[in-house]
Amino acid sequence: DGGITQSPKYLFRKEGQNVTLSCEQNLNHDAMYWYRQDPGQGLRLIYYSQIVNDFQKGDIAEGYSVSREKKESFPLTVTSAQKNPTAFYLCATRTVSSSYNEQFFGPGTRLTVL
Amino acid sequence: KQEVTQIPAALSVPEGENLVLNCSFTDSAIYNLQWFRQDPGKGLTSLLLIQSSQREQTSGRLNASLDKSSGRSTLYIAASQPGDSATYLCAVRPTTSGTYKYIFGTGTRLKVLA
Repeated sequence: DGGITQSPKYLFRKEGQNVTLSCEQNLNHDAMYWYRQDPGQGLRLIYYSQIVNDFQKGDIAEGYSVSREKKESFPLTVTSAQKNPTAFYLCATRTVSSSYNEQFFGPGTRLTVL
Repeated sequence: KQEVTQIPAALSVPEGENLVLNCSFTDSAIYNLQWFRQDPGKGLTSLLLIQSSQREQTSGRLNASLDKSSGRSTLYIAASQPGDSATYLCAVRPTTSGTYKYIFGTGTRLKVLA
């Protein structure tokens, strides 16, 4: 079963806690992305990675951190420094080598701060 | 700075009607434009990808057009069905960013009434 998996589907965080969202893909895509979606707003880019061991900040990286140790995995940590983390988080992939480059998305993780 | 706008924000139509969703972007320097569908609480599903050199793409009852010079794309849905009810988002990949970033619109929420 190919595709992108995100876990958990729902996540609850207490004030001051760090939490990590998982994103795994078996599409053999080089690039991976993390987006945040809030009601009434478009998707906003948090971090992206084009290759293993390399990643760049997106438009709203403050309070978040990532790692890319394997091609298949791109976990996102929401730290206590992120003041308003309640949102829907989406992971996406994209193949870099093909000229026909299309983004594919995972099912998302809904994070709620208690 | 590239901006993507989708108007209207919401649309209700009776079943069977043909409809057009609009996507406008401010900078014509793009690699491609992608249309997505999002069901409530779910990830994004890719519908159509139009390269900058293309004028349109078709998949089943869906047809997407691209007019770079005017900064517009339309998604045409023929013979709409209640199962088409979802939020439709468009995204462009600018050439000027020098990265693999995408800019998303805020979406059009479509409801097809039985």
